[in-house]
Amino acid sequence: AQKVTQAQTEISVVEKEDVTLDCVYETRDTTYYLFWYKQPPSGELVFLIRRNSFDEQNEISGRYSWNFQKSTSSFNFTITASQVVDSAVYFCALSEEDSSYKLIFGSGTRLLVRP
Amino acid sequence: NAGVMQNPRHLVRRRGQEARLRCSPMKGHSHVYWYRQLPEEGLKFMVYLQKENIIDESGMPKERFSAEFPKEGPSILRIQQVVRGDSAAYFCASSPSDRWGNYEQFFGPGTRLTVL
Repeated sequence: AQKVTQAQTEISVVEKEDVTLDCVYETRDTTYYLFWYKQPPSGELVFLIRRNSFDEQNEISGRYSWNFQKSTSSFNFTITASQVVDSAVYFCALSEEDSSYKLIFGSGTRLLVRP
Repeated sequence: NAGVMQNPRHLVRRRGQEARLRCSPMKGHSHVYWYRQLPEEGLKFMVYLQKENIIDESGMPKERFSAEFPKEGPSILRIQQVVRGDSAAYFCASSPSDRWGNYEQFFGPGTRLTVL
């Protein structure tokens, strides 16, 4: 069965520290998609990245980077030199080929960046 | 280009009342999805609609919940006879029509329903 696990419920760091948010997924499909979304205190959902299962290249976007490893079924997200504005809940999500419209979300990791 | 719009942003209902949540997809998007987020949890898929059609409602509770996306106007998620357990944030997302099955979803700001 498909599942997304974000084992870290809450992480607290001091500004400028690097932080990694873990995401482990389960799926039987060979074709699937992985996502990260940010939910700031205002509550909306902000899309960060989408990755398909055939593209294991790591991605970097400014201070954000993602490490996709099929061997460990993980899609971890690292924020370098964290800032207070990074404080939010971060969700990892999975969709499978047959129902790629259906996002399966993890329970989220709450990140608090202290000044 | 306006994003996905949802209204109201906050809705308070007493037990037994009806709740109507509206979602206007992004311009050019013909696919709409509803998700529910219970407190301290991730989002759970409820239903996928295209204009005048329900494609997948596997995540919808069997009773009291219904959704529609008419030819004209916004998509509506309707909850009849609300109970306290319906208190949650309800998110709508939309995606463009794509023959390659690219369902990139853009989310609205959500409607926070509180049942007293």
